[in-house]
Amino acid sequence: ILNVEQSPQSLHVQEGDSTNFTCSFPSSNFYALHWYRWETAKSPEALFVMTLNGDEKKKGRISATLNTKEGYSYLYIKGSQPEDSATYLCASSGGSYIPTFGRGTSLIVHP
Amino acid sequence: SAVISQKPSRDICQRGTSLTIQCQVDSQVTMMFWYRQQPGQSLTLIATANQGSEATYESGFVIDKFPISRPNLTFSTLTVSNMSPEDSSIYLCSVGKGAGDTQYFGPGTRLTVL
Repeated sequence: ILNVEQSPQSLHVQEGDSTNFTCSFPSSNFYALHWYRWETAKSPEALFVMTLNGDEKKKGRISATLNTKEGYSYLYIKGSQPEDSATYLCASSGGSYIPTFGRGTSLIVHP
Repeated sequence: SAVISQKPSRDICQRGTSLTIQCQVDSQVTMMFWYRQQPGQSLTLIATANQGSEATYESGFVIDKFPISRPNLTFSTLTVSNMSPEDSSIYLCSVGKGAGDTQYFGPGTRLTVL
């Protein structure tokens, strides 16, 4: 069973601040790392899927990096906006077919 | 991508009763998945539902407690049976092709058991 850990558990920032979260996962038998954004009362929305060590992905003001050798991924948000407020989930796929999720980081951006 | 709807979006139930959650996908998919997120916990896979065969349950989940139906390639139901307050969770269905592929989720069913 994979153990996927996310930190911090929650985060409050001011509009315009840049922020980042961490996802750590077992580096052995790694296949893919996923980031999702989950707004209240909505479906979790896929942000990125990364498979290769050193991968970097970007979507607007949000970017992510991947280090499979040490087992961590960072998600960065540049110039946070109130609409970025959500829970950010990461999930790691190892030898099993289905990703294992972390508990998420809850981000609140204050105007 | 896939668009997924779930019913009901939320419910408050009495202990000892059962609730059936419906999941409808806008396209035909082979595999559908049911997850649960208890308060403060991670999304946890309950079972994988394949059309035409019995669902495959993850460790800690049993068919008697969480019976699943998959009558066709666009629809599935999850029943939470003989509910207790510990079953209070968000239940989500999802579809996906494999470990490296994106999962598409429904909006979830927020269940509170009194």
